[in-house]
Amino acid sequence: DTGVSQDPRHKITKRGQNVTFRCDPISEHNRLYWYRQTLGQGPEFLTYFQNEAQLEKSRLLSDRFSAERPKGSFSTLEIQRTEQGDSAMYLCASSFEGLYEQYFGPGTRLTVT
Amino acid sequence: SQKIEQNSEALNIQEGKTATLTCNYTNYSPAYLQWYRQDPGRGPVFLLLIRENEKEKRKERLKVTFDTTLKQSLFHITASQPADSATYLCALDLLGYSSASKIIFGSGTRLSIRP
Repeated sequence: DTGVSQDPRHKITKRGQNVTFRCDPISEHNRLYWYRQTLGQGPEFLTYFQNEAQLEKSRLLSDRFSAERPKGSFSTLEIQRTEQGDSAMYLCASSFEGLYEQYFGPGTRLTVT
Repeated sequence: SQKIEQNSEALNIQEGKTATLTCNYTNYSPAYLQWYRQDPGRGPVFLLLIRENEKEKRKERLKVTFDTTLKQSLFHITASQPADSATYLCALDLLGYSSASKIIFGSGTRLSIRP
């Protein structure tokens, strides 16, 4: 399968711990996006990359959040000092420049206890 | 700030009928609008995109309309089937004619098709 993959699918962590999620986009896609989704809401934009450059970050993305895409392929999203409010589904999507539709991965469900 | 409203949190209709979902937006004039389907525990799946200069777009049993005067899009599923049961999300671009970058999603409408 050549779709977007995310790892892990589920993560349970204690408040105050750091977590890191990985996203592998569709190989020929040069744009990569991170979203956060809570129950009953649509995905909320967090940040996006074109190749390895991070071109936009949401104001929702506090200093505890950082994302990288070092070689323009996979990306990581790290949350430091997790809080209970960080519990959500974290979705990654990719697209090819020039095409508007985004292809989403299955998400990583984070539970902070 | 930009705001997207989807007509209802949940919609229940009988199999075979046409489901109509509504997406309204304010404070912006998007160049295009997208509809996605999301099943529980999974990521959204792209369905259709309609541009501001298009009134209507069709794909199999799906039809989308886009009225930039009313700032509204309607999403129709004809001859609905239980397998169409899912949450449907409306999404707008925020950066106009340039390639896709930042889009914002509505909160979705949960559609249930009963046999």
